[in-house]
Amino acid sequence: AQKVTQAQTEISVVEKEDVTLDCVYETRDTTYYLFWYKQPPSGELVFLIRRNSFDEQNEISGRYSWNFQKSTSSFNFTITASQVVDSAVYFCALNSGSARQLTFGSGTQLTVLP
Amino acid sequence: ETGVTQTPRHLVMGMTNKKSLKCEQHLGHNAMYWYKQSAKKPLELMFVYNFKEQTENNSVPSRFSPECPNSSHLFLHLHTLQPEDSALYLCASSPRTAENEKLFFGSGTQLSVL
Repeated sequence: AQKVTQAQTEISVVEKEDVTLDCVYETRDTTYYLFWYKQPPSGELVFLIRRNSFDEQNEISGRYSWNFQKSTSSFNFTITASQVVDSAVYFCALNSGSARQLTFGSGTQLTVLP
Repeated sequence: ETGVTQTPRHLVMGMTNKKSLKCEQHLGHNAMYWYKQSAKKPLELMFVYNFKEQTENNSVPSRFSPECPNSSHLFLHLHTLQPEDSALYLCASSPRTAENEKLFFGSGTQLSVL
């Protein structure tokens, strides 16, 4: 069985603040893939990043960065200098061979205030 | 624009009605998915189709009936729904059903059952 926990249901920050969204996962597989998706008010989930279990390098893409730590089973997402357009629901997800399907966390609603 | 189009965007139906949701992808993908997103709950995978064949049915009630006539189109036929079926129904596609594939989502159909 696999499980994804996003303990932060809602986060509110003021524009230009940094914010970190937490994601903790559970799986017994040694090979697995972690994802982050963004769901703006328009409804469609948009892919942000994919990371496989053998690649623990952190990744930075513009204002976005991801911290993958197998020791704590976490795959946290940081937005630097947040902007109003970052307001959305963010989902962490996990897929491993034995589960054969993508399991999503319950999502974190991020609101960035001007 | 993710290349996955869902219609209608909004649907209100009575419990005795029959309606259908439509999904079309222009990405040349071979796998298509139906997800249900209820308030405050993780996305729930309902059905998976790979090369037009259903490969996953996550114990979905028979009042939801999927149809995949080709790799580009996916339907969800609805009949005698219950109020608790009110949710956002999301369609997604991917090149294959492998665990490392990222999904491309449509904007969803917001369904209200009265």
